[in-house]
Amino acid sequence: DARVTQTPRHKVTEMGQEVTMRCQPILGHNTVFWYRQTMMQGLELLAYFRNRAPLDDSGMPKDRFSAEMPDATLATLKIQPSEPRDSAVYFCASGQPFLTSDGYTFGSGTRLTVV
Amino acid sequence: AQSVTQPDIHITVSEGASLELRCNYSYGATPYLFWYVQSPGQGLQLLLKYFSGDTLVQGIKGFEAEFKRSQSSFNLRKPSVHWSDAAEYFCAVGSNQGGKLIFGQGTELSVKP
Repeated sequence: DARVTQTPRHKVTEMGQEVTMRCQPILGHNTVFWYRQTMMQGLELLAYFRNRAPLDDSGMPKDRFSAEMPDATLATLKIQPSEPRDSAVYFCASGQPFLTSDGYTFGSGTRLTVV
Repeated sequence: AQSVTQPDIHITVSEGASLELRCNYSYGATPYLFWYVQSPGQGLQLLLKYFSGDTLVQGIKGFEAEFKRSQSSFNLRKPSVHWSDAAEYFCAVGSNQGGKLIFGQGTELSVKP
């Protein structure tokens, strides 16, 4: 089965450091999402792209977060500088919105801990 | 604004018993509705979806869900729960403008022997 690949799986970093999370979407999927999951807030949509162009990043703190798709095989989510409140699991998902029977496919996530 | 409510934060059922997880949505047009399951330390796996047509949809692992427009609900059911079904379940609504998914807060399912 095709899968969405996220790296790294786990990341521990010190407050103030830059963190970059990567996602390889499924080949042929034109929509990529970034979600953040915490116990308190559940699954929050941070940003998403269609054909590599940002459609909506209103869920993302603009002062420290940035999301890009430098090419169709790579999406990145960067936090600079990181803060303890950014500790969460970050999920990437890809799909062809509602055009196929596959829905959206999620990666296994990056568990970020900021100390 | 679109929203999804899962009224039950945690449910415990006995193995072999039937299960129903509730989901209510708020959406102005015909919704696209999904149920996902998440096992500990894993990503989300699609169980089933409703786009149009038959309001009773079948999914993987023996799950089904029924779309009821009059009640704005999309409840998930399984006739006989297995211990391996213990996980967190998320209902989501998809916007046909942009295609983004809005998730409910999730329902954690525990299965007792």
